[in-house]
Amino acid sequence: EPEVTQTPSHQVTQMGQEVILRCVPISNHLYFYWYRQILGQKVEFLVSFYNNEISEKSEIFDDQFSVERPDGSNFTLKIRSTKLEDSAMYFCASHSPLGGYYGYTFGSGTRLTVV
Amino acid sequence: GIQVEQSPPDLILQEGANSTLRCNFSDSVNNLQWFHQNPWGQLINLFYIPSGTKQNGRLSATTVATERYSLLYISSSQTTDSGVYFCAAHVQQNTPLVFGKGTRLSVIA
Repeated sequence: EPEVTQTPSHQVTQMGQEVILRCVPISNHLYFYWYRQILGQKVEFLVSFYNNEISEKSEIFDDQFSVERPDGSNFTLKIRSTKLEDSAMYFCASHSPLGGYYGYTFGSGTRLTVV
Repeated sequence: GIQVEQSPPDLILQEGANSTLRCNFSDSVNNLQWFHQNPWGQLINLFYIPSGTKQNGRLSATTVATERYSLLYISSSQTTDSGVYFCAAHVQQNTPLVFGKGTRLSVIA
């Protein structure tokens, strides 16, 4: 079964540093997403990406965040200057309406710890 | 936007018992999914079920779209079923999937 791959699985960074979280969505999917889950809380939407541009973003997705699809396979989330409150699990997801719609597929997540 | 509510928030079961988890949503949905978050934090997709009933082993799910709720049934629970179960829904394919707060299930041997 096709998978969404995320790297790294765990990253520790110092406050104020930039981090890039990487995702490889399923190859024939067209819509890509980043979600965040602070420890013990619900999974929250950050941003959606379609046709090489942001299609929707939440209030959480402020100027310190950016997304990019630098090539045909990778999808990245950059946090420019990390804060302690950015510590969370970050999930990438993708889906495609082509050939039938079967819901979102989520990656295994990147646990980000800001110290 | 759509609201997704799950109940109960916490559930403790003896191994072998059956359980029902509920998900209510505030609007007609195009997609509804059930996920299991394991102890490592991974979100495991259980069911894509915007309507009807599906079964996979000891798990089954039913969504009654007209009444805006979905149920996840776990039969003969095992300790490996422990974790948090999330329901998530959206009204259109290209809108973000909205998650409920989850049900934390603990199965005791």
